[in-house]
Amino acid sequence: KAGVTQTPRYLIKTRGQQVTLSCSPISGHRSVSWYQQTPGQGLQFLFEYFSETQRNKGNFPGRFSGRQFSNSRSEMNVSTLELGDSALYLCASSLDGQGSNQPQHFGDGTRLSIL
Amino acid sequence: TQLLEQSPQFLSIQEGENLTVYCNSSSVFSSLQWYRQEPGEGPVLLVTVVTGGEVKKLKRLTFQFGDARKDSSLHITAAQPGDTGLYLCAGGGDSSYKLIFGSGTRLLVRP
Repeated sequence: KAGVTQTPRYLIKTRGQQVTLSCSPISGHRSVSWYQQTPGQGLQFLFEYFSETQRNKGNFPGRFSGRQFSNSRSEMNVSTLELGDSALYLCASSLDGQGSNQPQHFGDGTRLSIL
Repeated sequence: TQLLEQSPQFLSIQEGENLTVYCNSSSVFSSLQWYRQEPGEGPVLLVTVVTGGEVKKLKRLTFQFGDARKDSSLHITAAQPGDTGLYLCAGGGDSSYKLIFGSGTRLLVRP
């Protein structure tokens, strides 16, 4: 069974640009969550999607957005990039979401560096 | 705001030693999950505990959920270099579809 796939693995952007990251969940998983991981703040929740609907959102500015497609694949977008957005962005999928204590299956992340 | 504090932040021990990592909160969680993350990879789930007082064993790893479901611990017996990594606890709520992660414990087991 294929795991969670995130693309691209590495990305370098400059301030002010925008970026789109992609996540393909495990087949059959309908919930996709996104996290930002930095050395200083650790793993912080961005948002969670289930059946193309955003069910929960973390405390991030509106520059961070996401969506989920009918095949459960998800994308997140960050506009007007800032230096502080440099981080590892992780995607996790589960059968039906975190509220049901389902295990989260993580991808290996996209390492975003802002110059 | 729910917060999870992990201690210690860093741990460097010799192979064969025992260690305990703690995960504490002032909030009640419906479940607690433990993950291990290695460099360049995403976190991998080790265990989920859902009942207050629950103890789960995974080979040399023992996980415990506090009676009040506010804290958890991970005990490793006879640590091996393969145990090296970042250990993360994560709390889940009953109705909120998000996991709250602790700040992590970075473990180095020296051969």
